[in-house]
Amino acid sequence: NAGVTQTPKFQVLKTGQSMTLQCAQDMNHEYMSWYRQDPGMGLRLIHYSVGAGITDQGEVPNGYNVSRSTTEDFPLRLLSAAPSQTSVYFCASSYSIPGGAYEQYFGPGTRLTVT
Amino acid sequence: GQQVMQIPQYQHVQEGEDFTTYCNSSTTLSNIQWYKQRPGGHPVFLIQLVKSGEVKKQKRLTFQFGEAKKNSSLHITATQTTDVGTYFCAGILTGGGNKLTFGTGTQLKVEL
Repeated sequence: NAGVTQTPKFQVLKTGQSMTLQCAQDMNHEYMSWYRQDPGMGLRLIHYSVGAGITDQGEVPNGYNVSRSTTEDFPLRLLSAAPSQTSVYFCASSYSIPGGAYEQYFGPGTRLTVT
Repeated sequence: GQQVMQIPQYQHVQEGEDFTTYCNSSTTLSNIQWYKQRPGGHPVFLIQLVKSGEVKKQKRLTFQFGEAKKNSSLHITATQTTDVGTYFCAGILTGGGNKLTFGTGTQLKVEL
């Protein structure tokens, strides 16, 4: 199993550009999520999904869109990049239970710089 | 604002010293998880606690979940250089559905 994969590993964007960060998992996990990591802020939840066709907002959803058309894939779209979106982005997946949580498996991350 | 805080933010210790990080939530948690992130790496799951007052051990690591389920701690006995990294707690806030909220993290540096 490859686990959770993310592409690209590094990306530089200009302000106003759009792009999609890719995330895929091969563990048949229902729950997938996107986090951003900034110094001193920990990991902040952007969007999450409890299954194909179901998504919901996390703490910091503004400026990002997601969709979940398959169990395996959960892409994150930046609509119009801003310097405040410079961060390291992690995708994670796990089994899902209502109101609970299982071990999260994280991808290697995407380091994004917006100039 | 941040609902799950960790203290301290940074800790430098000499190898062999003990280390503790504390995790505090503004509301009760249905469970608490702990993760370790090595420099340049991604978070890796360590353990999950579910019951009030629960204590679990993994070799030199001791994890505790508070009686009120609003705080938790991770204690490392006799640190080693392999313990270097950032330790995060994470939990489902009561009423938070399936949202897993991470703490702010404690960065541990171990010097020889």
